[in-house]
Amino acid sequence: QVQLQESGPGLVKPSETLSLSCTVSGGSINSYYFIWIRQSPEKGLEWIGYIYSSGSTNFNPSLKSRVTISLDTSNNQLSLNLTSVTAADTAVYYCARQPTRRGIGPDYWGQGTLVTVSA
Amino acid sequence: DIVMTQSPLSLPVTLGQPASISCRSNESLVDSDGNTYLNWFQQRPGQSPRRLIYKVSNRDSGVPGRFSGSGSGIDFTLKISRVEAEDVGVYYCMQGTHWPWTFGQGTKVEIK
Repeated sequence: QVQLQESGPGLVKPSETLSLSCTVSGGSINSYYFIWIRQSPEKGLEWIGYIYSSGSTNFNPSLKSRVTISLDTSNNQLSLNLTSVTAADTAVYYCARQPTRRGIGPDYWGQGTLVTVSA
Repeated sequence: DIVMTQSPLSLPVTLGQPASISCRSNESLVDSDGNTYLNWFQQRPGQSPRRLIYKVSNRDSGVPGRFSGSGSGIDFTLKISRVEAEDVGVYYCMQGTHWPWTFGQGTKVEIK
């Protein structure tokens, strides 16, 4: 059974960088797309971007200038960096897996981690 | 971005009765490959979203047969034939045709 588990600080100061990790277990990383999605009361569910096991990426244009997603295939770990955060970036952040690049949506999700942006 | 509009936003249902959720897109969701990437997710209280239906009408493994999806173009529907207590939660449609992919605002299903 594939499992994804997010980890990282729950509190980030404004203007700093939000950094999260996601450990993938129970399945191979190869040939899958790994995704970051966030959820807030204000914006609902929002796609941040995804990375393929080859390293190719695609980001939401609204966040593209601030986002980096990387994949460490040797450690089965996905990472998210979001720079220059503001209160609007406060959300539950999910990592997830999608089997194709076509938009069928994730079939496995992590439990999510709440990140609050506050001084 | 494509806007996905769900209705109703709140749906009180009697146990054993049917329920229907509508999802409308502001552009056609037919992709250049001929597929329509409209998916449905269920989020139970305190849980992560779970995919129920992909590409309009394909039920995920383990999803009860009482869930069904239909529609085309810009209009789509999720139906629950007989609501059970475990169906309580928020349901989201998601379009995966136009990047960035987007979700609807959610429909909260509760038991009367």
